Amino acid sequence: DVKVTQSSRYLVKRTGEKVFLECVQDMDHENMFWYRQDPGLGLRLIYFSYDVKMKEKGDIPEGYSVSREKKERFSLILESASTNQTSMYLCASSLRGRMNTEAFFGQGTRLTVV
Amino acid sequence: AQKITQTQPGMFVQEKEAVTLDCTYDTSDPSYGLFWYKQPSSGEMIFLIYQGSYDQQNATEGRYSLNFQKARKSANLVISASQLGDSAMYFCAMRQAGTALIFGKGTTLSVSS
Repeated sequence: DVKVTQSSRYLVKRTGEKVFLECVQDMDHENMFWYRQDPGLGLRLIYFSYDVKMKEKGDIPEGYSVSREKKERFSLILESASTNQTSMYLCASSLRGRMNTEAFFGQGTRLTVV
Repeated sequence: AQKITQTQPGMFVQEKEAVTLDCTYDTSDPSYGLFWYKQPSSGEMIFLIYQGSYDQQNATEGRYSLNFQKARKSANLVISASQLGDSAMYFCAMRQAGTALIFGKGTTLSVSS
């Protein structure tokens, strides 16, 4: 069974902390993505990666960075967490080079910054 | 730039009725793919159906069908014979070559008995 696993389901962090959200996939997918989901705004792309050590900014990269040292793992980093980064974060992966392949999602991490 | 628009924040339907969830998109690229996902209250994202821009026929998957009107740039999801378990948030999304999936804001569907 294909799987995308996010390290935490719920996370509470303090303002100013450095926060790491981890995502691992076992499908040997080249593409990996980080989205944030807010009520009324849908899913917005933060960053995506199409290969190890490669990354592309999405629509809302400010305040975030990413790391992809291994194919199966894609980390989202909040350098200095702020309350406006309280949100649901979703990781996804997909095969590269095929338009019709769907993205598989993790269960989400609900992050609260206090 | 690519964009997905879902204009219905919420839809209400009774069991066994059909419902159409609207989606329009904007892109200048002739090659793209359109997706629908379902997100129940548990939060997981479930892939429902795919339509390619060059596909001649509308996609169907069980009770789900995609009403693809290329000239109007619309890709509406039709759910036939609604069930209580269809109550969820539904997202329309689009991908172009070499890019990530871009999502609309979603439509909340409520099915009543």
